[in-house]
Amino acid sequence: DIQMTQSPSSLSASVGDRVTITCRASQTISSYLNWYQQKPGKAPKLLIYAASSLQSGVPSRFRGSGSGTDFSLTISSLQPEDFATYYCQQSFSKSYTFGQGTKLEI
Amino acid sequence: QVQLVESGGGLVKPGGSLRLSCAASGFTFSDSYMSWIRQAPGKGLECISHISNAGSNIYYADSVKGRFTISRDNANNSLYLQMNSLRAEDTAVYYCARHNYDILIPPRYGMDVWGQGTTVTVAS
Repeated sequence: DIQMTQSPSSLSASVGDRVTITCRASQTISSYLNWYQQKPGKAPKLLIYAASSLQSGVPSRFRGSGSGTDFSLTISSLQPEDFATYYCQQSFSKSYTFGQGTKLEI
Repeated sequence: QVQLVESGGGLVKPGGSLRLSCAASGFTFSDSYMSWIRQAPGKGLECISHISNAGSNIYYADSVKGRFTISRDNANNSLYLQMNSLRAEDTAVYYCARHNYDILIPPRYGMDVWGQGTTVTVAS
């Protein structure tokens, strides 16, 4: 099975900051990497698919990059509504494994 | 609007069974690849099963294989998860989700629509 490892596990930042979350796959997954945002008590929301494609309706301050085994999600200017937990997910294999999550806190 | 609504969760004893349902609306369900994902309390996300639009391709995670069965009724726009031999470690919020369209199976472009989740608690 493909393992996904995110770093950091938690991150403190302020409104207006630029933050980057990284995700590493245990084997190459080409560009089949997705990013989700989850707020407490809510379902995850798809932000980025295929490593760098912005899902419809998602603000352009979210940017994904990477290929192979190393990926990143960058939020260019944090807004109050961005404080949440972020998950990466591989869709190269049908196990669709997720990373353990990165909690972004104020 | 595009919507998924799960139901059927509850409290069940170890070894018991539950059937989860996911009602779809606002999109062509019969064209959609669907998944069940669960999240144990305070933990991350686990994709436990998925099914192709016609039901001919099915996947189970090892953690549920042989105990859970995914199915769908395209005529009634519904997805199901039959859960048998439940264990304490199956306690979680269970989400159904639609995959972004892809010409390949299984799809590669993430899950773009999620339900609100239904809670399953396995305890004596």
